[in-house]
Amino acid sequence: TQLLEQSPQFLSIQEGENLTVYCNSSSVFSSLQWYRQEPGEGPVLLVTVVTGGEVKKLKRLTFQFGDARKDSSLHITAAQPGDTGLYLCAGMDSNYQLIWGAGTKLIIKP
Amino acid sequence: DARVTQTPRHKVTEMGQEVTMRCQPILGHNTVFWYRQTMMQGLELLAYFRNRAPLDDSGMPKDRFSAEMPDATLATLKIQPSEPRDSAVYFCASGWPGQGYEQYFGPGTRLTVT
Repeated sequence: TQLLEQSPQFLSIQEGENLTVYCNSSSVFSSLQWYRQEPGEGPVLLVTVVTGGEVKKLKRLTFQFGDARKDSSLHITAAQPGDTGLYLCAGMDSNYQLIWGAGTKLIIKP
Repeated sequence: DARVTQTPRHKVTEMGQEVTMRCQPILGHNTVFWYRQTMMQGLELLAYFRNRAPLDDSGMPKDRFSAEMPDATLATLKIQPSEPRDSAVYFCASGWPGQGYEQYFGPGTRLTVT
């Protein structure tokens, strides 16, 4: 069974600080997606990374796909209260199914 | 602004009652997913369809859950009979073959079974 482990499970930091969320697996994925979910809503796709070593930036968010396509990270610079939410990573397996991480609950305090 | 819609947004029902949740995928998307989210289990895939055909429903309790796509604009998830352990938020998502098979989620149906 393929697993995708996210860490940390929970993170509470002050506005302006930097943070990194990790998504790790022993399996290779053809691509990896990051979603953000706010209370009372469904997850919203932030980015898809496809190539090993790929780095994508979305304003203050930087996403990286590991060279071996087994892991990924999300780095947020100068976090703001609007970044608060549940961050989910999901890896695409060889059957085109998404394997979901358990999520990282992020709280940014003003 | 194309979105996945789900109805109802909230449902409270008594144990043993039938519950039907509906989803309208984004026009042009040929893949529809049903997920259940709880604090304990996170996001679980229940079933998914491609071109209206069920491809995988292994995540769904077969004895009480059923999922269908009567047409390309409607997907349904039915629970009969419902049990308190079915209380969760149920999400529908749609997508299409392409880079990463990206999924677009609806707002969810929050189900409470008493």
